[in-house]
Amino acid sequence: EPEVTQTPSHQVTQMGQEVILRCVPISNHLYFYWYRQILGQKVEFLVSFYNNEISEKSEIFDDQFSVERPDGSNFTLKIRSTKLEDSAMYFCASSDSFQETQYFGPGTRLLVL
Amino acid sequence: LAKTTQPISMDSYEGQEVNITCSHNNIATNDYITWYQQFPSQGPRFIIQGYKTKVTNEVASLFIPADRKSSTLSLPRVSLSDTAVYYCLVGDGGSQGNLIFGKGTKLSVKP
Repeated sequence: EPEVTQTPSHQVTQMGQEVILRCVPISNHLYFYWYRQILGQKVEFLVSFYNNEISEKSEIFDDQFSVERPDGSNFTLKIRSTKLEDSAMYFCASSDSFQETQYFGPGTRLLVL
Repeated sequence: LAKTTQPISMDSYEGQEVNITCSHNNIATNDYITWYQQFPSQGPRFIIQGYKTKVTNEVASLFIPADRKSSTLSLPRVSLSDTAVYYCLVGDGGSQGNLIFGKGTKLSVKP
């Protein structure tokens, strides 16, 4: 069964450093998403992406965040200058369309020290 | 997007049927009801989706009354591995597709 994959599984970084989280969505999917989940809290939507541009973003997705689809398979989330409060699990998801089921990856646990 | 309300937690024993009810009084005509499951330190996993009446798959059943203001996820004969958080989501995806997760129901299955 096709699945979404994410790398790395864990990332530790110093405050102020840039991090790039990588995702490989399911191959025939066209819609991509990033969510995050701070420990013990809800899963929160960050951004959706279609046709090489952002479709929607939440208030969390400020200027420190960016997304990119650098090639035909990868979908990345960049945090330009990490803050302590960016520590969370980051989940990538993909779907056939906005109305279809979203399939989530296993997540990247980011720890900012 | 319609707001949902579900119990914070539920306990069950292996082999029992578990029913988790979700209230969504403001559900819109175009909205679907979707349930996701999440294990600790893993991404949410789609379980089932329905619009009205009853939907069944190999994992669960979803019961939706005629007024669609609530729905019930039914897990037959749960096992320890069904211990997880279960989320009820309501929406049509719209033009953005972002999923709005609540706090979910933490199901604990005991031996």
